[in-house]
Parts: sequence; C-alpha cells; structure tokens
Amino acid sequence: SAVISQKPSRDICQRGTSLTIQCQVDSQVTMMFWYRQQPGQSLTLIATANQGSEATYESGFVIDKFPISRPNLTFSTLTVSNMSPEDSSIYLCSVPRGRGPNEQFFGPGTRLTVL
Amino acid sequence: DQQVKQNSPSLSVQEGRISILNCDYTNSMFDYFLWYKKYPAEGPTFLISISSIKDKNEDGRFTVFLNKSAKHLSLHIVPSQPGDSAVYFCAASGGDKIIFGKGTRLHILP
Repeated sequence: SAVISQKPSRDICQRGTSLTIQCQVDSQVTMMFWYRQQPGQSLTLIATANQGSEATYESGFVIDKFPISRPNLTFSTLTVSNMSPEDSSIYLCSVPRGRGPNEQFFGPGTRLTVL
Repeated sequence: DQQVKQNSPSLSVQEGRISILNCDYTNSMFDYFLWYKKYPAEGPTFLISISSIKDKNEDGRFTVFLNKSAKHLSLHIVPSQPGDSAVYFCAASGGDKIIFGKGTRLHILP
C-alpha cells in the first residue's frame, strides 16, 4: 500500500489569493491525480500529473487556475489560484493501487475555505 | 448530468443486519465499477470492485452485485458492524475516465 500525506490539512483563505497544496507519497509512482470535492458533491478529477511532462487537465479545469508541479516521483503540488468562495472544497491527491483500473490510494485531503 | 447516481444520501441499519447501498449509472461505456469508503477527515479507501464481465464479486462481508441491463450496482455488507459507519462512494470507469457518485452516508445503529 502507499502512504500519502498532504499539507496543509486545512486552510482559510481570502478571496483573490492563491494556495499551494503539497502531496507526498512514500513510494515512487508514475502517475498522481488531483481531485476536488465541493460541498455535497462527488469527487471530480482535476488533472493527472505525470513526472517529467505537463499535467493533463480534465474538461472544465485549466492550468492557469490550477497549476500543477511534479518535480519527482514522490511529490506533487496543486495551486489554487485567484481563489473565490466557489473554490471552497476538499482537495485530494491519489495514486494508483497498481491493480484494477482506477483503484487508487487517496491522501487525507486538504479542506479549503475561501472567504 | 450525473452519470453515476447514488439516490440515497443516507441510510441507517441496525448492527448485525444487512446494509444495501445502491448505485445507478447511465453510460454503457463504463466497464469497471468501484466502491470506496470514507471516514471523516480521511481520504477515501478502496473497498471492492467489479468488472463488467462479472455480476458478483465477494470479499469477506462485502459483496458487490452488477446488473448491466439495468445499469445498476449494489454493495451488500453482512453483517453490518459499527465500524462500517462511513460515507460510501460508488464509482464507474471506462477508458481513462472515472466518475464518482455523491456518496451515501451509512449509520450503523447499536
């Protein structure tokens, strides 16, 4: 299994500012995923971060709003830029379990509140 | 348009009884289905999955049933235990796409 940590665990931010969320995995993985869960909603995939290449964004998500870094095989960051209250969500990173399709290990999440 | 629907936001079940959580999907291209369990302040944990070539998969107290013609799957937990109280997410995947439902909060009553 993979152990994933995220920092910060929660934050309260002002509108217009940016927050960078860190995701650390205890083993080397090729793919890392970033999800968002808005209040009362399902988990939605933001992007897939591959080491050594640009992140692949899902429909409705753009790099200018959610820039992602993947400097090595155990670490990634997601920045939520120019935040608005609609960005208040739980942000989660995950990595493949290495078994069935889309079976993943998830981090504990970062709870973001934008005022 | 929700492609994966969990129509029951919450469910209460007596300890020792069977818990049945339901999930419906709309896209026939989905070929792999998963259930995740989530405790407060933790990330989701993979629970069980099923391929579209099967109609049942069992792992201990957990069984997932798939009815492709009805585009419906269900998770059975028998017997239900207090530690099963959590939010359960159904997910469907096909190709590179994975879609999660909104979750069902399961309360196991003593």
